[in-house]
Amino acid sequence: DVKVTQSSRYLVKRTGEKVFLECVQDMDHENMFWYRQDPGLGLRLIYFSYDVKMKEKGDIPEGYSVSREKKERFSLILESASTNQTSMYLCASREGTGPIGNTIYFGEGSWLTVV
Amino acid sequence: DQQVKQNSPSLSVQEGRISILNCDYTNSMFDYFLWYKKYPAEGPTFLISISSIKDKNEDGRFTVFLNKSAKHLSLHIVPSQPGDSAVYFCAASEDNNDMRFGAGTRLTVKP
Repeated sequence: DVKVTQSSRYLVKRTGEKVFLECVQDMDHENMFWYRQDPGLGLRLIYFSYDVKMKEKGDIPEGYSVSREKKERFSLILESASTNQTSMYLCASREGTGPIGNTIYFGEGSWLTVV
Repeated sequence: DQQVKQNSPSLSVQEGRISILNCDYTNSMFDYFLWYKKYPAEGPTFLISISSIKDKNEDGRFTVFLNKSAKHLSLHIVPSQPGDSAVYFCAASEDNNDMRFGAGTRLTVKP
């Protein structure tokens, strides 16, 4: 089974703090993603990565950056947290090839509250 | 600009009856479609998918139908069970690129 692990389930941070959300997958997948989930808005793509050191902006990259130094690890960084970044953050990975490789697998999510 | 739309935020059905969840998309280049199920405080889990070369895919109680001309897909659950109560997300992908999700539909199956 694919395992996508998000290091922190629940975080409370202060406005202006730098926040790191870490994600590791164990299936040697090429593609990794960061989404946030908000009521009524569904899952919105923040950033994704096709390969090590590669990154692409999604629909809502403002206020975020990412890092992919190793294939298995994809980090989401909030340089200066704001209250409108309070949300559930979901990391996902995908093999990236063929029909079966098109399925993405999610971690359990990280609940971030910015106060 | 939402490329994948789920216009019904919620749906309530009786146990044993059919649940039909709908999804519309705008990008005609999408070639792969998926449904995910999400319980509170958990990540979404993959449910069923369909390639654009097909119009139907069935897996047990779950069937996904794709109407490419209408840019519409639907998920049928028969018979519905209380354990099916969750939020269901429709997703679409173009040529193994990034995946776009709808806003989700909360399904409640009443005993």
